[in-house]
Amino acid sequence: AQSVTQPDIHITVSEGASLELRCNYSYGATPYLFWYVQSPGQGLQLLLKYFSGDTLVQGIKGFEAEFKRSQSSFNLRKPSVHWSDAAEYFCAVGAQGGYSTLTFGKGTMLLVSP
Amino acid sequence: DGGITQSPKYLFRKEGQNVTLSCEQNLNHDAMYWYRQDPGQGLRLIYYSQIVNDFQKGDIAEGYSVSREKKESFPLTVTSAQKNPTAFYLCASRQPAGGGSNQPQHFGDGTRLSIL
Repeated sequence: AQSVTQPDIHITVSEGASLELRCNYSYGATPYLFWYVQSPGQGLQLLLKYFSGDTLVQGIKGFEAEFKRSQSSFNLRKPSVHWSDAAEYFCAVGAQGGYSTLTFGKGTMLLVSP
Repeated sequence: DGGITQSPKYLFRKEGQNVTLSCEQNLNHDAMYWYRQDPGQGLRLIYYSQIVNDFQKGDIAEGYSVSREKKESFPLTVTSAQKNPTAFYLCASRQPAGGGSNQPQHFGDGTRLSIL
């Protein structure tokens, strides 16, 4: 069975500082990986996805993530955090192809301090 | 604009009452999904449907029911058998993979259900 672990429940970063959110997954084959962001009371917005090719993927809002198969990780990064990035971030894994379902991590809440 | 519309945004349920959450999409997606979100628990899959008139149970289907009579609609009923229904419910849709392309799930803005 597939699973996702986001080790950090909360992270506080100063505005302008760099950010890295951790995601580890468990999946038997080549995974399909996502990062989503959720503002309070809203749905989820896709930041980026990986399914093949270059292991460093670029997303919206200046985010990027790196797929490391040897470490079963898909960490999300941003070089300089803005106050508007404060939200909850979810990593998800799914099987490639067809109508596969997704398994989500429990999320990491990002707080941005002035 | 294409998207997913969930209604109502807030819903209250009395003890012993069934309530239905609406999810409509105009993205022409085949697959639709219902998730339940509780604080600190991430998203858990309730039901999903890959095609009209067909649906499958997810990880936490007990106390819920769905129907898929139209491609664009996938309503979720929270029955009186669901003893702890207070949560945020999210609907999503997706096109299946094809031609080497893997498509992400798109989400609605959610419905918050509370018990009176």
